[in-house]
Amino acid sequence: ETGVTQTPRHLVMGMTNKKSLKCEQHLGHNAMYWYKQSAKKPLELMFVYSLEERVENNSVPSRFSPECPNSSHLFLHLHTLQPEDSALYLCASSSGQGDTEAFFGQGTRLTVV
Amino acid sequence: SQQGEEDPQALSIQEGENATMNCSYKTSINNLQWYRQNSGRGLVHLILIRSNEREKHSGRLRVTLDTSKKSSSLLITASRAADTASYFCATSSNFGNEKLTFGTGTRLTIIP
Repeated sequence: ETGVTQTPRHLVMGMTNKKSLKCEQHLGHNAMYWYKQSAKKPLELMFVYSLEERVENNSVPSRFSPECPNSSHLFLHLHTLQPEDSALYLCASSSGQGDTEAFFGQGTRLTVV
Repeated sequence: SQQGEEDPQALSIQEGENATMNCSYKTSINNLQWYRQNSGRGLVHLILIRSNEREKHSGRLRVTLDTSKKSSSLLITASRAADTASYFCATSSNFGNEKLTFGTGTRLTIIP
């Protein structure tokens, strides 16, 4: 248990569906992240929020929409996804200051059919 | 863009042997971290080494950092079956927040 909780753990959705991934941390961290992990590829940083402000958006398609309503919660809203978006989506948090580790959730295994 | 790159991609050793994994990176870093991931789960932080450090120990783990060669190594001594996992290096170029860039990982299998 790392203190970062992701729900759901597994999600199967059709290409026309709208769903949301949720991430929650009560570690007092200021920074939260979404990563995508596909088979045989490096973890891809998707979004970074620092003090609830988006500071990084790595050319992620608009069908992925993040939301950070407060420093403890992070969402990833999904709509009209493609089969190639199937992956493990990992949320992480950190203090946002130098020389500190990131704490990861268990991930959401997403399958787009 | 990918920063860290682990070598080898896969490693199988007998239980009790030592396992060494290497990581190379491209740009200046603030620190380098190693993480472990069991299959389909989240990553767990193992150890962090700062750019002004050359070696660090934590239990059975030993990490080295050579900033002149832009490389790091992770040594796991006296391996156990429970060490079977994927291991990732991640680099931090701290510009006000911790933006970690990961490599593709090394898949380590410990044979009982």
